[in-house]
Order: sequence, then structure tokens, then C-alpha cells
Amino acid sequence: DAGITQSPRYKITETGRQVTLMCHQTWSHSYMFWYRQDLGHGLRLIYYSAAADITDKGEVPDGYVVSRSKTENFPLTLESATRSQTSVYFCASSQAWANEQFFGPGTRLTVL
Amino acid sequence: GESVGLHLPTLSVQEGDNSIINCAYSNSASDYFIWYKQESGKGPQFIIDIRSNMDKRQGQRVTVLLNKTVKHLSLQIAATQPGDSAVYFCAETLSWGNKLVFGAGTILRVKS
Repeated sequence: DAGITQSPRYKITETGRQVTLMCHQTWSHSYMFWYRQDLGHGLRLIYYSAAADITDKGEVPDGYVVSRSKTENFPLTLESATRSQTSVYFCASSQAWANEQFFGPGTRLTVL
Repeated sequence: GESVGLHLPTLSVQEGDNSIINCAYSNSASDYFIWYKQESGKGPQFIIDIRSNMDKRQGQRVTVLLNKTVKHLSLQIAATQPGDSAVYFCAETLSWGNKLVFGAGTILRVKS
């Protein structure tokens, strides 16, 4: 019963490098989400996906790219990491739009 | 874990007492609300939800109250335990298709 997993759990990278954060869910939920959590800002939505091959921007999408070729995976890529992208990233999934979202354990990313 | 709570309101309660965590939501049209609990180093965990056609819903040791007139949501935890210590977030959305918007969170500290 894996539920929703994220990898890596911790990542340190340098400014300008490309980084991909992985998210995998075993429930076949239609919806998947990426959030970042920062001091003073709470959880902010980066991107979401309603189904395979359907993605849309959230509140803070700049500098990020997502894809959803398979229902169970929703990777988030930072094409050229910046220090302002240092944060804790959470992936979530839900069965329907207005249902509870199940969160992964998070990835703590540090950009030096 | 991530120190997301440095600038958040804090509620300190004695073990065994009841806790009340409040949330003012932003959109008068929101019709679905969720409370999440986040422990240090973990992702948010669903506690309880409520739809706008209700003003009260009870779970195990928790009760959510919704006052649409003043756009206020509260979470009541009965007989608070040390394991209840965490950051609590309320979230709101429109069930017909909008993003889940999270509040900033409240830290609950339980004193033994």
C-alpha cells in the first residue's frame, strides 16, 4: 500500500541546473497536484493535472514544467534552478476535483 | 522537518483540554472546505471536510463548524493529546471547478 510517494526526499543542486522531482501514486486518481511550501506563504499550487496528458498552471508556475504521460506519474522539472526555488515541494492526488487531496511526504530542495 | 511555522499564529493548550482552531476563508462562493494536519517533516494529512450545505460535521474527536455569514471555519479537537501537536491548515474551493486555496496555518502546541 504505497499510496503517494515522492523522490528524492532531499536534493541539493546549484543555480542553473535542471532538476526533476518525481511523484507516483498507486490509487489511479485522476487529479494530481504540485505545491511548494515556504515560510510565510503556506502551500501554493504550481501545476495540476486533471488526467493523463492534461495539465494546467496554478498560482506560481514560472520556472517549472510538468508532464503526465501516465496517470500514476506526475514529474515536476525545474529547467534552470534558481535560489528562489529553494522550498519544500509536495505532490498530491485526488479522485475528483472537490475531494480531499492526499499528499506525499515532500521533497526538500535546496538551490545553492 | 521544515520550519514552516515561524510566522504562524500559535495555540498552546494543556493535554486533555479542548482546542479550537479558527480560519477565516476568503471566497464567499466557496462551497467545500477541508482541514489538514501537518506534522513536522511530513505532508499535510486530511482530518475532516464539510460542504456548504452543512454548518457542522463531526468526526472522531474533531468537529468542524462552518459559518457562511461571516466566512468562518473552525476546528474543534476534544481532549487534545500530545500527538495533536502540528500545524493545521484550512482549505477552501468551489466544487464545480476551482483550485484548493490553503490558509496560512495555525500551530497547535500541546503541553503535557
